[in-house]
Amino acid sequence: SQQGEEDPQALSIQEGENATMNCSYKTSINNLQWYRQNSGRGLVHLILIRSNEREKHSGRLRVTLDTSKKSSSLLITASRAADTASYFCATSGGSTLGRLYFGRGTQLTVWP
Amino acid sequence: ETGVTQSPTHLIKTRGQQVTLRCSSQSGHNTVSWYQQALGQGPQFIFQYYREEENGRGNFPPRFSGLQFPNYSSELNVNALELDDSALYLCASSSPSNRGTDTQYFGPGTRLTVL
Repeated sequence: SQQGEEDPQALSIQEGENATMNCSYKTSINNLQWYRQNSGRGLVHLILIRSNEREKHSGRLRVTLDTSKKSSSLLITASRAADTASYFCATSGGSTLGRLYFGRGTQLTVWP
Repeated sequence: ETGVTQSPTHLIKTRGQQVTLRCSSQSGHNTVSWYQQALGQGPQFIFQYYREEENGRGNFPPRFSGLQFPNYSSELNVNALELDDSALYLCASSSPSNRGTDTQYFGPGTRLTVL
């Protein structure tokens, strides 16, 4: 399956700590995206990394991509209580270009 | 705010009924994708519409159908509702230059409950 799988399923940290979430997938991709979802609402796009990129930054977010291991990681630095949400990786590529495949997500809880 | 809107916000139906969900894409976007998200799961791709034509379909039965209109808004129709259709239905729009190959912008979703 092309579906991404996030790890861990749940992560609980204190404000100010860093949060790292991982994503693995099985087939070749065109790009990988990370999305955030608050309490069953719509998904908010965080960052996109293309298959020819290895690392990307956006504010407190850092994403890495290792296509040889078919894995990606999302690092949120100096976390805040407002970062509490579910985080999903989504892959796109190959013959199914244009559709996103999501994993089950990582539930991040940041305690004040 | 992504500029993608969905209606209604919540909906309760009974088994066997039919439902229509609506989505208005972000201005300038001509590609709309629909996803189903069951509780505790990630979104699952239902289908995508590009310039009023279906452009790819996921593993969903034919009772899930859709439309895209000339203004690029879209509808998702589900016939003969089943209990397992209870989920959050998300639509996402994307820019015309890449037909959904890049960032997709999601609406807030419609929560469907089938009793």
